[in-house]
Amino acid sequence: EPEVTQTPSHQVTQMGQEVILRCVPISNHLYFYWYRQILGQKVEFLVSFYNNEISEKSEIFDDQFSVERPDGSNFTLKIRSTKLEDSAMYFCASSGLGNQPQHFGDGTRLSIL
Amino acid sequence: GQQLNQSPQSMFIQEGEDVSMNCTSSSIFNTWLWYKQEPGEGPVLLIALYKAGELTSNGRLTAQFGITRKDSFLNISASIPSDVGIYYCAGQLVNRDDKIIFGKGTRLHILP
Repeated sequence: EPEVTQTPSHQVTQMGQEVILRCVPISNHLYFYWYRQILGQKVEFLVSFYNNEISEKSEIFDDQFSVERPDGSNFTLKIRSTKLEDSAMYFCASSGLGNQPQHFGDGTRLSIL
Repeated sequence: GQQLNQSPQSMFIQEGEDVSMNCTSSSIFNTWLWYKQEPGEGPVLLIALYKAGELTSNGRLTAQFGITRKDSFLNISASIPSDVGIYYCAGQLVNRDDKIIFGKGTRLHILP
């Protein structure tokens, strides 16, 4: 069964550094999402992306965050200048046309030192 | 913003027992979803509900979309050790490509 893949599985970065989290959505999917889960808390929506532009973003997704689909297969989340509170699991999800549900990757654990 | 109130927060049950958990909201949702998350993994979709009153099963799991569109429940029958994990209710307000709003989860523990 096709799946969403995310790399790396764990990223350790110094505070203030830029980080890029990578996702390969399911190949025929058109809607892409990033969610975040701080340790012990619920999963929170960050941003949705469709037709090469952001469809919706939450208040968490401030100017330090950006998303990009640089080619036909990858979907990236960039945090420009990381803060301690950015430490979390980041999940990528994708869905296709025809009212299909969102499928999640296994996440990237981001640790900011 | 919209919130989902999920209960209970955690459950300790004996293997073989049935489990019931539920979710309520002050907002009307057009889609209710139930996900399971295990350590080190992302949420995995268990059941999706698209119509008010809909009752759907997936093996030993059964979930219902409340008539008011503001609630849903998930039942697990005859629990087994691999049912351990965190179960999240989740919803989408309008369209199925909308963001998913998650509840805080129910952590299920199964005693031998």
